[in-house]
Amino acid sequence: KNQVEQSPQSLIILEGKNCTLQCNYTVSPFSNLRWYKQDTGRGPVSLTIMTFSENTKSNGRYTATLDADTKQSSLHITASQLSDSASYICVVRGAGQAGTALIFGKGTTLSVSS
Amino acid sequence: NAGVTQTPKFQVLKTGQSMTLQCAQDMNHNSMYWYRQDPGMGLRLIYYSASEGTTDKGEVPNGYNVSRLNKREFSLRLESAAPSQTSVYFCASTERPGGNEQYFGPGTRLTVT
Repeated sequence: KNQVEQSPQSLIILEGKNCTLQCNYTVSPFSNLRWYKQDTGRGPVSLTIMTFSENTKSNGRYTATLDADTKQSSLHITASQLSDSASYICVVRGAGQAGTALIFGKGTTLSVSS
Repeated sequence: NAGVTQTPKFQVLKTGQSMTLQCAQDMNHNSMYWYRQDPGMGLRLIYYSASEGTTDKGEVPNGYNVSRLNKREFSLRLESAAPSQTSVYFCASTERPGGNEQYFGPGTRLTVT
């Protein structure tokens, strides 16, 4: 069964610290992996999209890594800010799936405190 | 350029009532989607429209109907609301089917009592 598992479920860190969020998937075949940020009461916003051949992609203080062999991805946040408090969602698209079905993880809730 | 807009933002229904959630995008995208988001679960696809004039079921279509009114607008209808449909509903769009960049609306929070 195609699944996307994220860990930890929630995380609390101090402002200025770094953190890493994990995503493991069993989707096969694989097309791409996306990380979204969802602020409370808002819709998800794309942070990065990575294909099979990409190992690392950055977007400002956000750096995503992908190991397609082990089917693992991580999202590293550097020098966290209060505005980073949000839910981070890992989404995997399988190649060749009918329509446009994406498999969504349940998300990691990050709280950054001062 | 407003992106993806949804109305209403909040709605409370009684069991058995009907309503339509509206979604519009101004990015000239071909594909549009309806998702629901429930606590402790990932977003789940209800219906999608790969292009104007076509609609297809997603993972959880039961109890819903959709209409792709034109290229801009994609509505979701609950004919007879049930408490199990209490959720946050998100509309999204992509330039083409399966397009990499998926843009989401702000969501509609629906409570069915």
